[in-house]
Amino acid sequence: KNQVEQSPQSLIILEGKNCTLQCNYTVSPFSNLRWYKQDTGRGPVSLTIMTFSENTKSNGRYTATLDADTKQSSLHITASQLSDSASYICVVADRGSTLGRLYFGRGTQLTVWP
Amino acid sequence: EADIYQTPRYLVIGTGKKITLECSQTMGHDKMYWYQQDPGMELHLIHYSYGVNSTEKGDLSSESTVSRIRTEHFPLTLESARPSHTSQYLCASSARTGVAEAFFGQGTRLTVV
Repeated sequence: KNQVEQSPQSLIILEGKNCTLQCNYTVSPFSNLRWYKQDTGRGPVSLTIMTFSENTKSNGRYTATLDADTKQSSLHITASQLSDSASYICVVADRGSTLGRLYFGRGTQLTVWP
Repeated sequence: EADIYQTPRYLVIGTGKKITLECSQTMGHDKMYWYQQDPGMELHLIHYSYGVNSTEKGDLSSESTVSRIRTEHFPLTLESARPSHTSQYLCASSARTGVAEAFFGQGTRLTVV
């Protein structure tokens, strides 16, 4: 069964600190992995997209890593800001169908305190 | 900034009413999707479309229906709303080819009382 598991479920950090969010998946055949940021009551916004051959990708203070062999990914946030408070969702796309179906994790709820 | 729009943002409606959730995108994307998301839970695909006159049901069974008469427009309709339909509905679109990024609308928070 294609699944995406994220940890931790929730995380509280102080402003200025770094944090790392984890994602494990069983989706096969694998096409790409995406990290999205979802503010409360809003739609998800893409942070990074990585294909099989990419090990790391950065977007400002966000750095995502991918190990396609172990089917793990991480999202590292550097020098956190209050505006980073949101749910971070790991999404894996398969290439086994024309749709390129997306499988969503439940997200990690990050809260940044001043 | 994604050019995909959903209306209304919030809707409170009585049981048995017919409702239509609107979704429009100006990016010329062929693929469009409707997802349902409950608080703290993952998004579930309920409908998708490859293009005009193409609609398919997703993974999560839904009593809603969709239509795709124009490329830019992908409305979702509930003929008779029930409290079990209370949820957040998210529309998304992507280009047809390659590793295409999916752009999401702001969502419609539906409450059926």
